[in-house]
Amino acid sequence: AQSVTQLGSHVSVSEGALVLLRCNYSSSVPPYLFWYVQYPNQGLQLLLKYTSAATLVKGINGFEAEFKKSETSFHLTKPSAHMSDAAEYFCAVSDYTGTASKLTFGTGTRLQVML
Amino acid sequence: DTGVSQDPRHKITKRGQNVTFRCDPISEHNRLYWYRQTLGQGPEFLTYFQNEAQLEKSRLLSDRFSAERPKGSFSTLEIQRTEQGDSAMYLCASSGAGLTDTQYFGPGTRLTVL
Repeated sequence: AQSVTQLGSHVSVSEGALVLLRCNYSSSVPPYLFWYVQYPNQGLQLLLKYTSAATLVKGINGFEAEFKKSETSFHLTKPSAHMSDAAEYFCAVSDYTGTASKLTFGTGTRLQVML
Repeated sequence: DTGVSQDPRHKITKRGQNVTFRCDPISEHNRLYWYRQTLGQGPEFLTYFQNEAQLEKSRLLSDRFSAERPKGSFSTLEIQRTEQGDSAMYLCASSGAGLTDTQYFGPGTRLTVL
């Protein structure tokens, strides 16, 4: 079964600083990986996804993630944090081995951006 | 395309009551998913439809839960005899039929069982 581990339930950065949110995955098949963002009392919005094409994936709002098979990682980065980036971020892996491409999510990382 | 919508956004009920939630997917999407998210956790898969067929159910979905998608468009999720442990955010998502198609999520229905 597929799984993801997000290291650090809370991350605090200063505005303008680098954002690094960590995600490691476990998968018995080549993984499809996703990062979603969730603002308070809202649903999830896709930031980016890896589907076995380029290993460096660029997403919305200046975020990107790099797929590293040797490290089983898919960390999310942004060069310069903005106050509007404060939210909960979820890494997910797709289980497409059954009848559905259902997603298995990590426990999330809450990003706080300080002035 | 107005996105995935869910109704109601919030529901407060007493233990033992039945509740029903509705999800309207993006119109051209034939796959529809239900997830449950408890406080401090990521969403967990509950069930999935392709068109009107319910093809997979998680073991999280006890026999008090039932989901339908009668005409392959909107879906309903009913919880019978609610328990306090059912308090959570219920999220609906829809996607196209491809393995890598993005799942688009609705805003969720927050259920509080007193």
